Amino acid sequence: DQQVKQNSPSLSVQEGRISILNCDYTNSMFDYFLWYKKYPAEGPTFLISISSIKDKNEDGRFTVFLNKSAKHLSLHIVPSQPGDSAVYFCAARVSGGGADGLTFGKGTHLIIQP
Amino acid sequence: DTAVSQTPKYLVTQMGNDKSIKCEQNLGHDTMYWYKQDSKKFLKIMFSYNNKELIINETVPNRFSPKSPDKAHLNLHINSLELGDSAVYFCASSQIQGRAQYFGPGTRLLVL
Repeated sequence: DQQVKQNSPSLSVQEGRISILNCDYTNSMFDYFLWYKKYPAEGPTFLISISSIKDKNEDGRFTVFLNKSAKHLSLHIVPSQPGDSAVYFCAARVSGGGADGLTFGKGTHLIIQP
Repeated sequence: DTAVSQTPKYLVTQMGNDKSIKCEQNLGHDTMYWYKQDSKKFLKIMFSYNNKELIINETVPNRFSPKSPDKAHLNLHINSLELGDSAVYFCASSQIQGRAQYFGPGTRLLVL
């Protein structure tokens, strides 16, 4: 039962353009959402997060949008750079729930083309 | 100055053996976690632990046990290893009231 879904296994974007990564969730109890970036043979690196009381959070080139009614969030990267090529994981949590862990999507492999 | 470190990075062992993976964080965080990334690439929470409470994901076999000698360390002990335990194991930490979890580089376990 996948509670966090990233339906695009991969995405190819030209350098300098905008990259948009999407994520859908099913559990309405999720109240905090995060994006992680992962290079091969490394651990996930925290990028940006958003609380369910907000609909947008921006940090430099990264912006996360949350649409609670649609149970959808997206990560925008602009402009895309070669170093952005990695696997991006969407994650969510329920405050005080279970092992207080994050529920992850399966990831989207972003490829930035020169 | 690595924030969350794990040793070993690779671990190859025989079925039935007992092994441990060590994790250390120098972020001053109060809560630590273990995750398993299986062959389908899903990252799944196994345990969370702070100095007061251990919370176990109910799907984790009792062959797996976390041990915390102090706030900066959370080691993972695995008894009677099985083929299905082959995976990448990630340690993470966060502030007790914080939201973002910071991950170690992972330990690649292969059970033969």
